[in-house]
Amino acid sequence: QKEVEQNSGPLSVPEGAIASLNCTYSDRGSQSFFWYRQYSGKSPELIMFIYSNGDKEDGRFTAQLNKASQYVSLLIRDSQPSDSATYLCAGGGSQGNLIFGKGTKLSVKP
Amino acid sequence: DTEVTQTPKHLVMGMTNKKSLKCEQHMGHRAMYWYKQKAKKPPELMFVYSYEKLSINESVPSRFSPECPNSSLLNLHLHALQPEDSALYLCASSQAPTGPSYEQYFGPGTRLTVT
Repeated sequence: QKEVEQNSGPLSVPEGAIASLNCTYSDRGSQSFFWYRQYSGKSPELIMFIYSNGDKEDGRFTAQLNKASQYVSLLIRDSQPSDSATYLCAGGGSQGNLIFGKGTKLSVKP
Repeated sequence: DTEVTQTPKHLVMGMTNKKSLKCEQHMGHRAMYWYKQKAKKPPELMFVYSYEKLSINESVPSRFSPECPNSSLLNLHLHALQPEDSALYLCASSQAPTGPSYEQYFGPGTRLTVT
């Protein structure tokens, strides 16, 4: 069974802090990983994807992938209340499908 | 342009009705997807079309019938649904999964209520 595991939270951080979101995956064949942000009642919005070991930065967001440890993370620097949402980690399946974790709810307190 | 559009935004239907959900993308993507999402759960894959051919059917009941008329359009035909089918139905598209990177872009979804 191919799985992606995330801590469901809620994760609460103060405004301006770094939020760290983590997930682990079971399928060593997965090559690509994706982070989606989902506001309540809205659809998932792609914010980062990564397929090489190491770090990938885009503005306030940094995705990290460690294939040896089967671990993916997302760091959000200078967190804002508007970052409060559920963050979904997903791994790419062998047929292009995505295998989602259950999501981590992030709350950024002003 | 990373836009995927879906119509209608909301749909209320009875258990004997027949309705269709529509999805359209103009990004030149060759893979399209239907997902179902219940409250506080992640999206659950239903169907995958790759190059307009059905490549994955995740054992979805036959009351859901997908159709891909061309590379830009994806429909989901609904018939004799049950109240437990009430959910947010999401369409997504991506480049065909021939490489390591095939990020999927989601439409806004159709909120379906079955009465």
